Amino acid sequence: EAQVTQNPRYLITVTGKKLTVTCSQNMNHEYMSWYRQDPGLGLRQIYYSMNVEVTDKGDVPEGYKVSRKEKRNFPLILESPSPNQTSLYFCASSSPSGRGETQYFGPGTRLLVL
Amino acid sequence: SQQGEEDPQALSIQEGENATMNCSYKTSINNLQWYRQNSGRGLVHLILIRSNEREKHSGRLRVTLDTSKKSSSLLITASRAADTASYFCATRAAGNKLTFGGGTRVLVKP
Repeated sequence: EAQVTQNPRYLITVTGKKLTVTCSQNMNHEYMSWYRQDPGLGLRQIYYSMNVEVTDKGDVPEGYKVSRKEKRNFPLILESPSPNQTSLYFCASSSPSGRGETQYFGPGTRLLVL
Repeated sequence: SQQGEEDPQALSIQEGENATMNCSYKTSINNLQWYRQNSGRGLVHLILIRSNEREKHSGRLRVTLDTSKKSSSLLITASRAADTASYFCATRAAGNKLTFGGGTRVLVKP
């Protein structure tokens, strides 16, 4: 089954404790992206990747890192989480290179930073 | 910044009625897409309309696009309780960025 998976689905952590949210897709998509969703603000793009080893900042990249060492994986790293990063996070992928194509979303990761 | 702005923010209708929601955007686009999100879940793509298209249908969905007014509408006909969800428009301008609006929450009462 074609899908985007994220882990963990739920996470409670404390300020400053590094964490990684994994994202994997099995559709051989070149383009992958991370969004955060907050009430009243819709979805905002954090980072995106056009292909392996190619990443770029979205609208709200501060406090986040990403890597794209393999085509299928696109982890989101919070080196020192803060309470304002409490949010619902979505990973998405599409092909070819996202141009004009629809995005497939993961189920979401709900993060609470205390 | 949000490119698309949906209107209304919330909509409550009876099962069987039609639901219409609108999306306005600010800059030129290559295409506009509509997505559905059930509570707390991932977004699911519904329909894509390109900038040179004016209307598109998919099952009970009808999308229109007016590039002169920079607006789009999504019509769901004969709504069902299962259509209860949030609906987002997303615009793709030059490049690869897909920008989402704030969404319309639709409640279909049985």
